[in-house]
Formats: sequence, structure tokens, C-alpha cells
Amino acid sequence: GAVVSQHPSRVICKSGTSVKIECRSLDFQATTMFWYRQFPKQSLMLMATSNEGSKATYEQGVEKDKFLINHASLTLSTLTVTSAHPEDSSFYICSASPGTTYEQYFGPGTRLTVT
Amino acid sequence: KQEVTQIPAALSVPEGENLVLNCSFTDSAIYNLQWFRQDPGKGLTSLLLIQSSQREQTSGRLNASLDKSSGRSTLYIAASQPGDSATYLCAVRQHTYKYIFGTGTRLKVLA
Repeated sequence: GAVVSQHPSRVICKSGTSVKIECRSLDFQATTMFWYRQFPKQSLMLMATSNEGSKATYEQGVEKDKFLINHASLTLSTLTVTSAHPEDSSFYICSASPGTTYEQYFGPGTRLTVT
Repeated sequence: KQEVTQIPAALSVPEGENLVLNCSFTDSAIYNLQWFRQDPGKGLTSLLLIQSSQREQTSGRLNASLDKSSGRSTLYIAASQPGDSATYLCAVRQHTYKYIFGTGTRLKVLA
């Protein structure tokens, strides 16, 4: 149980375009979802926390207008990187929490490359 | 502000050796501490979770200890195998949902 999927696993996009990454909890309802970013050989940095049906809470230094997060249902959250630039190239990982506990279950990650 | 540090940053050992990975954190007011494994280009696999009231957890060849007062945790891997090669991350959770991740230890076990 407690499986989280991400789609796509890899994406390449051109500079200036937008790209959407999906995070789904497959066998539980996730009241809270989290988005992390990981640069090469660095640790995971929390970008934002989203609760179903409400606006996401962004960490300091993360541009909310650039990284749009939508948590429209209890099983789906999306991260849209708008007007992507090469410096946005990174590994994006989501996690989901059922809310009954504070456990977080992590997705497999999405490798974004902006050319 | 909580900071989590892992030492060493990288480690290379021959197969069969027992090894210890270290994790330290600056704020002892934590809810739990969790050790993860990350293979290259992959997501996280949870290894062990230690609640703040616990001193250690064991799973197979892995043993994790927690000394909350000194802000330290260790992950002990017995009889290491090439398949253990990965990056190991520790993360602490305080009394919110937020996880603060350590810098990671890249382990390579040589056959």
C-alpha cells in the first residue's frame, strides 16, 4: 500500500515553455502533498506544501508564480513550471500524506531538462 | 532553523564490511527521524523510521539509533553488499508535516 506515482518520469522542454508534472496517490487519499526539488548531488529541498482544495504554501525563495501547484482532488496534485529556463532543470519529487498520520510517501521523481 | 548534516559525504568500502553513516541535527525538538535510500535518478525508499521516544530501530542488516539530546543518529549496515550502493539520506520531522533532509552519504560497496 501507500503508492505514489509521478508522470512523466522524464521530460525535456524548450526554454520559455511550460511543463506540467503530475503526482498521484494510487491507493490512499492524500490530504496533503509536498513538492521537493533536488539538484545534482544535493539533498531534497521542500518547495511547497499543498492541501486539497486550498492554495499551496510555498517555502521561502520559491516563486509561486513560476511554480504553480494545484491540488484539485484527494489523489492528484500537479506542479506546472511556467516559462521554464535551463536553471529550472532538476529532479522534482512529490510526496503525499494520508492525513491520518504524518507519514509521507514519496513518488519516483521527474527529471526535468530545459534546453 | 533546523539543519541536518551527514558525514561522510561519500564512502567506498569493500564488500562484507560493517559500516556506520552519521546524521546530526541542530534542533533536538523533533517528532521523528527517518532514513531513506536513493538510487541514482530514482525516488526515495524508506528504510527505517525512529520516533522521538525511541532509541533505535532494526530491519534486517540495518540498525538505526537516535540520540535526540545530542542531535545525532547513526545508520549501521552490517555485512555490506554491492547492492547496498546508493545515496543514504536522513530526514527529521518536527511538529509539522515538514521534513528537513540531510546532505546525504553516497555509498559505494566494492565487489
